[in-house]
Amino acid sequence: QVHLVESGGGVVQPGRSLRLSCAASGFTFSNYAMNWVRQAPGKGLEWVAIISKDGSNRYYADSVRGRFTISRDNSQNILYLQMDSLRGEDTAVFYCARVLYDDGAHWFAPWGQGTLVTVSS
Amino acid sequence: PVLTQPPSASASLGASVTLTCTLSNDYSHYKMDWYQQRPGKGPRFVMRVGTGGIVGSKGDGIPDRFSVLGSGPNRYLIIKNIKEEDESAYYCGADHDRGDNFVAVFGGGTKLTVL
Repeated sequence: QVHLVESGGGVVQPGRSLRLSCAASGFTFSNYAMNWVRQAPGKGLEWVAIISKDGSNRYYADSVRGRFTISRDNSQNILYLQMDSLRGEDTAVFYCARVLYDDGAHWFAPWGQGTLVTVSS
Repeated sequence: PVLTQPPSASASLGASVTLTCTLSNDYSHYKMDWYQQRPGKGPRFVMRVGTGGIVGSKGDGIPDRFSVLGSGPNRYLIIKNIKEEDESAYYCGADHDRGDNFVAVFGGGTKLTVL
């Protein structure tokens, strides 16, 4: 069964860094692009970043470009999100999701249970 | 693309409800995805929809009571014989992949209340 488990969330001060991890199991991790989506408390979903299956292509939302870095370790089946220069508006539950692709479009399935990041002094 | 959803909807147990997501003008031909998010849980893929209806297969565990339609810029998620377990937030999503850039967007979500 396909399973994604995020970890690494917590409380961090503004301006500091945090690294999230997403452990994947139940599928051939290196065959799929992966991405991060976040959800601020009481708000909707916001796409954050995507990485190709071999890690050669990475794209980011404007709100995080230059501060966040998505990466992956295909030998360990782990997806990462390095978050630097954190701001209060980055406070959110962060989800990882596998990216599926067909006929020129992408969708996300499954998703993990999420890890909460709180940026506060 | 910009995706627009009404913030709330309600329906009685056993009734039917239609949730709507509207694509912005230049993207009215795009396929779009529906996601269900139960309270306190991560989102779950429901199914993908284009102007001709469902594209591909439903997500794992999605019952036959769920179906989709597409018309112009609108994409609909229809839920029949509503059950308590359907009370969730429903999000539509789409992506724009130009090869040299990628962006994914979501609608603001519709919170479905089961009466």
